[in-house]
Amino acid sequence: DTAVSQTPKYLVTQMGNDKSIKCEQNLGHDTMYWYKQDSKKFLKIMFSYNNKELIINETVPNRFSPKSPDKAHLNLHINSLELGDSAVYFCASSLGTTEEAFFGQGTRLTVV
Amino acid sequence: AQRVTQPEKLLSVFKGAPVELKCNYSYSGSPELFWYVQYSRQRLQLLLRHISRESIKGFTADLNKGETSFHLKKPFAQEEDSAMYYCALSGDTGGFKTIFGAGTRLFVKA
Repeated sequence: DTAVSQTPKYLVTQMGNDKSIKCEQNLGHDTMYWYKQDSKKFLKIMFSYNNKELIINETVPNRFSPKSPDKAHLNLHINSLELGDSAVYFCASSLGTTEEAFFGQGTRLTVV
Repeated sequence: AQRVTQPEKLLSVFKGAPVELKCNYSYSGSPELFWYVQYSRQRLQLLLRHISRESIKGFTADLNKGETSFHLKKPFAQEEDSAMYYCALSGDTGGFKTIFGAGTRLFVKA
């Protein structure tokens, strides 16, 4: 069983569209994250979320919004997509605040 | 503020040479430090964590609280070590729970 799964794996879309990336974890973790990996492979946190609080990196445009229907899911919604949003987006989860993070396989988003 | 700094974006060494990937951190509490690795076309995965004090694939990392560093070392690099390496910090004194450095690409040449 895949611990952290993201869908879709690849997403190609036009500028201005709205899209979502889904993330699910079956590990019973209480904290989930979204990270953006740019073309140079640099990894930046976008959001940290558990059932109590959402922490947003202030550099993330408000076109990006996380949605958590339940503890096992943290979806990423992106409005009005721009060329610069093209990247690989990783979802991750961890148990507690100081435990190892488990990552999904990533979603490669290409905005054309 | 929490911060993880990896000063080298790219590190290129010859096979058999020693390798050291640098990581410095800033954190007000007692952090957990990790090294993650991403091989080509694979997902990000944990390499080692400081509390384990173990050697994984020949890599070791020692937490130096005085220098606030957690450098990753291997005495003899192998070609299969070529990957992207991320230093990460996890803590519970507010802010993000786990943050990563920008990453260092290690390239081991034959």
